[in-house]
Amino acid sequence: DADVTQTPRNRITKTGKRIMLECSQTKGHDRMYWYRQDPGLGLRLIYYSFDVKDINKGEISDGYSVSRQAQAKFSLSLESAIPNQTALYFCATAVQGMKTQYFGPGTRLLVL
Amino acid sequence: ILNVEQSPQSLHVQEGDSTNFTCSFPSSNFYALHWYRWETAKSPEALFVMTLNGDEKKKGRISATLNTKEGYSYLYIKGSQPEDSATYLCAFPDSGYSTLTFGKGTMLLVSP
Repeated sequence: DADVTQTPRNRITKTGKRIMLECSQTKGHDRMYWYRQDPGLGLRLIYYSFDVKDINKGEISDGYSVSRQAQAKFSLSLESAIPNQTALYFCATAVQGMKTQYFGPGTRLLVL
Repeated sequence: ILNVEQSPQSLHVQEGDSTNFTCSFPSSNFYALHWYRWETAKSPEALFVMTLNGDEKKKGRISATLNTKEGYSYLYIKGSQPEDSATYLCAFPDSGYSTLTFGKGTMLLVSP
């Protein structure tokens, strides 16, 4: 079984809809991250969390919110989806000291 | 926002060719330099974490060098194979080693 899982893997939604992307991990890592990947722009950080009570904005947090429900779960919400949020979204985990980040399989989101 | 740049943006080589590409990063306040390999339809996976000036890491036919004083790292692939086709990402941690800033990647295509 994968250590970092993301659901759904693919999602099509309409402008204005609220959607949630979920990330779960069995690695026991305290740090979790959400990134988006757009062609030509690389991976950009949306939010990150060091524990349930510690949530931090990344480079591109506008239009997104997150929830760290437990050490193992970190959800990303789009309150009112817009077409330019169409992207590939990755969740990642790391231990303190962050020698390496471990990525989930990604969620491909299309906002019409 | 840290400036992490990779070149070239893409590269197309023939099977058996050796190739290399570059990651440049801020030379001040160096903590580490990460290399990831990202195959299409998969998740990015860590290749190397480099921490010392002059460091050289090797994994099979892939190796990397590090120059922290001038702020660059080279990734080399010797005798490229089609299975080496992927996007190679480098990433640089922030001053608190809390987050990584990723370069836009070098997309390598190896033709049989």
